[in-house]
Amino acid sequence: DSGVTQTPKHLITATGQRVTLRCSPRSGDLSVYWYQQSLDQGLQFLIHYYNGEERAKGNILERFSAQQFPDLHSELNLSSLELGDSALYFCASSVQGLAGETQYFGPGTRLLVL
Amino acid sequence: AQSVTQLDSQVPVFEEAPVELRCNYSSSVSVYLFWYVQYPNQGLQLLLKYLSGSTLVKGINGFEAEFNKSQTSFHLRKPSVHISDTAEYFCAVSLSGNTPLVFGKGTRLSVIA
Repeated sequence: DSGVTQTPKHLITATGQRVTLRCSPRSGDLSVYWYQQSLDQGLQFLIHYYNGEERAKGNILERFSAQQFPDLHSELNLSSLELGDSALYFCASSVQGLAGETQYFGPGTRLLVL
Repeated sequence: AQSVTQLDSQVPVFEEAPVELRCNYSSSVSVYLFWYVQYPNQGLQLLLKYLSGSTLVKGINGFEAEFNKSQTSFHLRKPSVHISDTAEYFCAVSLSGNTPLVFGKGTRLSVIA
């Protein structure tokens, strides 16, 4: 158990819908990262937050947005969902968000868009 | 931009045999290197990482990796595998001044009894 929690574990929805994925980092960690794992693209970095502020953006679509709240939990919002958005979405956390720090991964949210 | 190539998508190996999972990276600047393991239906867990210093890095569960700057490689090894090592293994890199991890496509290790 990494100490990072993600809800829900599974999500099934239809095209065009909007969903919210939630992540609680390990106690004491200030940084949260979101990654997407799909069969064709592999594991891809989406976005990084540190203490409520966006630090870095990766291959995140404009239909996707995220935020980190004052209690440090984070939410990833996916809207206008397409079939291709079906994937495993991971959240990871680290202490300070510094290069070289270990990122601890949650168990993921499996999203299926029908 | 940096990239990571894991040369084998699948590696079958008999129990108690040695294994090497290959990873090459491309970057023109200093990098940090990581190996993560993903067991079925679970998140990723760090096996080991190289930041600086000794090029031979020892990790959890008996795994080790060697950083080779001239070959731009960071191969993962274990002298004797167990059934419980069956999993997907990911090599990742991040620039020393940046934190997002760039992952390889993964290598599925299957240990056969």
